[in-house]
Amino acid sequence: GAVVSQHPSRVICKSGTSVKIECRSLDFQATTMFWYRQFPKKSLMLMATSNEGSKATYEQGVEKDKFLINHASLTLSTLTVTSAHPEDSSFYICSARPNPRASSYNEQFFGPGTRLTVL
Amino acid sequence: RKEVEQDPGPFNVPEGATVAFNCTYSNSASQSFFWYRQDCRKEPKLLMSVYSSGNEDGRFTAQLNRASQYISLLIRDSKLSDSATYLCVVTLTGNQFYFGTGTSLTVIP
Repeated sequence: GAVVSQHPSRVICKSGTSVKIECRSLDFQATTMFWYRQFPKKSLMLMATSNEGSKATYEQGVEKDKFLINHASLTLSTLTVTSAHPEDSSFYICSARPNPRASSYNEQFFGPGTRLTVL
Repeated sequence: RKEVEQDPGPFNVPEGATVAFNCTYSNSASQSFFWYRQDCRKEPKLLMSVYSSGNEDGRFTAQLNRASQYISLLIRDSKLSDSATYLCVVTLTGNQFYFGTGTSLTVIP
């Protein structure tokens, strides 16, 4: 159980285009999802916390108008990188936290990540 | 000061060796503690939760010392497949998860 999928796994796009990444919890409901980015040989950096049905909470330094997050259902959150530039190239990983009634509530389950390359 | 600090390594150990990682956290109100494993270009995967009483899973033993605010991971009889980055994760209340920078381990034949 507790499987999280991400789509696409890899995307290459031209500078200036927008890219949408989907994160789905396949066998559990996730009231909270997290979006991270990771540069090579660096740690995960939390970008934002997404709660179902409400606006995402962004970490300091993360532009909310550039990284649009939508969490419209208990199993799906999307991250849209708008007007992507080469410096946005990174590994984007989502994670999902089960609802408070779940025994695994204190854990995060990670998606397999999306590797974005902006040319 | 960072919420969670880890020695980034790298740790290069021969097969069969025992290796230990430590991770310190700054907030005494931290509630839950985990070790995750991340392989190159992959997502982190939960290795084990860490409890005050300590817990063991095969060759892996995790310990929590609340007084000194650190957690540890011990790997015995290292295998080549143990090569990865090990992340410690500490949670506060609600949705506050803090990741360490990870400790890189390479097990050498």
